[in-house]
Amino acid sequence: DTGVSQDPRHKITKRGQNVTFRCDPISEHNRLYWYRQTLGQGPEFLTYFQNEAQLEKSRLLSDRFSAERPKGSFSTLEIQRTEQGDSAMYLCASSLAVSGEPQYFGPGTRLTVL
Amino acid sequence: GEDVEQSLFLSVREGDSSVINCTYTDSSSTYLYWYKQEPGAGLQLLTYIFSNMDMKQDQRLTVLLNKKDKHLSLRIADTQTGDSAIYFCAEPEYNQGGKLIFGQGTELSVKP
Repeated sequence: DTGVSQDPRHKITKRGQNVTFRCDPISEHNRLYWYRQTLGQGPEFLTYFQNEAQLEKSRLLSDRFSAERPKGSFSTLEIQRTEQGDSAMYLCASSLAVSGEPQYFGPGTRLTVL
Repeated sequence: GEDVEQSLFLSVREGDSSVINCTYTDSSSTYLYWYKQEPGAGLQLLTYIFSNMDMKQDQRLTVLLNKKDKHLSLRIADTQTGDSAIYFCAEPEYNQGGKLIFGQGTELSVKP
């Protein structure tokens, strides 16, 4: 296994369009996390799953955002009716569900909303 | 809630040691993490330390933890130009393996 992968790496869209990102975690990892990172800031938590259950969502995750992990493997993050303020790097990470186990990050998806 | 703070910039000469500092607020955190981010890339886990340790060494990296002052530092020995990147410290919220709280990141610039 080569680590966490994300697709696409870059996405340019027009305001009002919907976009969907995919994350494939490290295969034996049962926790999967989504973060958002804007320029000059550290990553901010959006949501996380343990297996297929979504256990926590940030207040940053407005009703335009939805995340799924239907079979407990890959996850998708959808943003509906994109706004310019959604422009950011969207990072996915995975880990084992053991206290202290570190999170391993993917390369991220850079979203630009015009 | 938890908060993690770091100084924003550090500039060193190649071959010198770099020390990146971090303060955190949650005294119950049992693990603390250091990540490295190169331009346009995701975060690379560098090292992490369990709170019952004062120090952890891994090749050129040394992590020091002062629990009393809630202060964490990352020392990079013999800093190379390839070490130029942004370094983040992070602590878990609630210490349950959920979300990580990140600092703003320290941009390390290594001059030849």
